[in-house]
Amino acid sequence: AQSVTQLDSQVPVFEEAPVELRCNYSSSVSVYLFWYVQYPNQGLQLLLKYLSGSTLVKGINGFEAEFNKSQTSFHLRKPSVHISDTAEYFCAVSSFGNEKLTFGTGTRLTIIP
Amino acid sequence: EPEVTQTPSHQVTQMGQEVILRCVPISNHLYFYWYRQILGQKVEFLVSFYNNEISEKSEIFDDQFSVERPDGSNFTLKIRSTKLEDSAMYFCASSERVSRGYQETQYFGPGTRLLVL
Repeated sequence: AQSVTQLDSQVPVFEEAPVELRCNYSSSVSVYLFWYVQYPNQGLQLLLKYLSGSTLVKGINGFEAEFNKSQTSFHLRKPSVHISDTAEYFCAVSSFGNEKLTFGTGTRLTIIP
Repeated sequence: EPEVTQTPSHQVTQMGQEVILRCVPISNHLYFYWYRQILGQKVEFLVSFYNNEISEKSEIFDDQFSVERPDGSNFTLKIRSTKLEDSAMYFCASSERVSRGYQETQYFGPGTRLLVL
């Protein structure tokens, strides 16, 4: 079985400040990792994904995440946030041969002007 | 850019009634999914569907639930007799294919918020 833990339910950040949203996973097999974003009244949009290869993954809107196998983490980072980054962010995991996504509970990112 | 659409955006129903949630996946996609999110809880997998049959379902997806692809474009989730605990946001997703050893991106719709009274 696989699971995802997002340690922070809400993260307030000042505009232009850096942000890190934390995600830890557990799985008995090799994993694929994803970050999805949900803007108000919209669906889930893929920000970035890790399948294999380089552990530093760059996504859309200036976000990046680093896969750390020893710490079973996949934290999302952005060096300078904008008001438009206000959204709910979901970390998700799937595994080889099993395409269903297992999600975390989400982190609500609020940008303070 | 192609997107997954869902209708209705909101649905209010009485306990015991049947509801059908509709989704139009991206046109060249072959794999379809339903997920749900109860307020304040995780997004949970319900079912995946390929080649006109269920490929995997979760323990949530009991006999009250069914899925169908009635034509070449729609993908529906039916709840036969709704319960209060079925109140949730239901997301449809689709992916182009599932290749062994490669995880295709799942594209999600905006969701249908179902409220059972």
